[in-house]
Amino acid sequence: ETGVTQSPTHLIKTRGQQVTLRCSSQSGHNTVSWYQQALGQGPQFIFQYYREEENGRGNFPPRFSGLQFPNYSSELNVNALELDDSALYLCASSLRLVQGSTEAFFGQGTRLTVV
Amino acid sequence: AQSVTQLGSHVSVSEGALVLLRCNYSSSVPPYLFWYVQYPNQGLQLLLKYTSAATLVKGINGFEAEFKKSETSFHLTKPSAHMSDAAEYFCAVSPPFQGAQKLVFGQGTRLTINP
Repeated sequence: ETGVTQSPTHLIKTRGQQVTLRCSSQSGHNTVSWYQQALGQGPQFIFQYYREEENGRGNFPPRFSGLQFPNYSSELNVNALELDDSALYLCASSLRLVQGSTEAFFGQGTRLTVV
Repeated sequence: AQSVTQLGSHVSVSEGALVLLRCNYSSSVPPYLFWYVQYPNQGLQLLLKYTSAATLVKGINGFEAEFKKSETSFHLTKPSAHMSDAAEYFCAVSPPFQGAQKLVFGQGTRLTINP
């Protein structure tokens, strides 16, 4: 089975620009969650997608948005980038069932630097 | 709201010594609890999880953790440290039956192994 893959691995953007990060779920998983990990911090939950709809959101502004596609892959979009958006962005996939969900499997992350 | 506190941002032990990483949680309902490990420039790898079954949980790489409801703790231990254990460790909590969705992470503990 394939794991969770994220692209790109690194990128540098200028303040005010927009960025799109991509995530391919682990085979068989139907739920994708995105996390932001600032340097020296634990990951912070951004939002989750299930069946192509947002299913929970953390304390992040609307300029953070996402999509989930029919094949369960996902995108994270950030508009009007700010310097504080510089972080490692982690995607995690899991399988949501009626009785609960499996544990999350994380990708390697995308390191975003805003200058 | 749920929260996690990891006591000690840095822990240093000698190779072969006991590893003890502390985690206390706050939750209004019995939670699910997880320990993840992160190596430099990598994503998160699940070490072990507690999902209301046995209170002593065994994970990968010789790690184990004990859920103590009375102490609201879920400390991670390993009897004998190995150089390859050097990494960042994160404790996380989620509501029950939501698997690893919407995880709330602690700030992390950096484990250093001295030869």
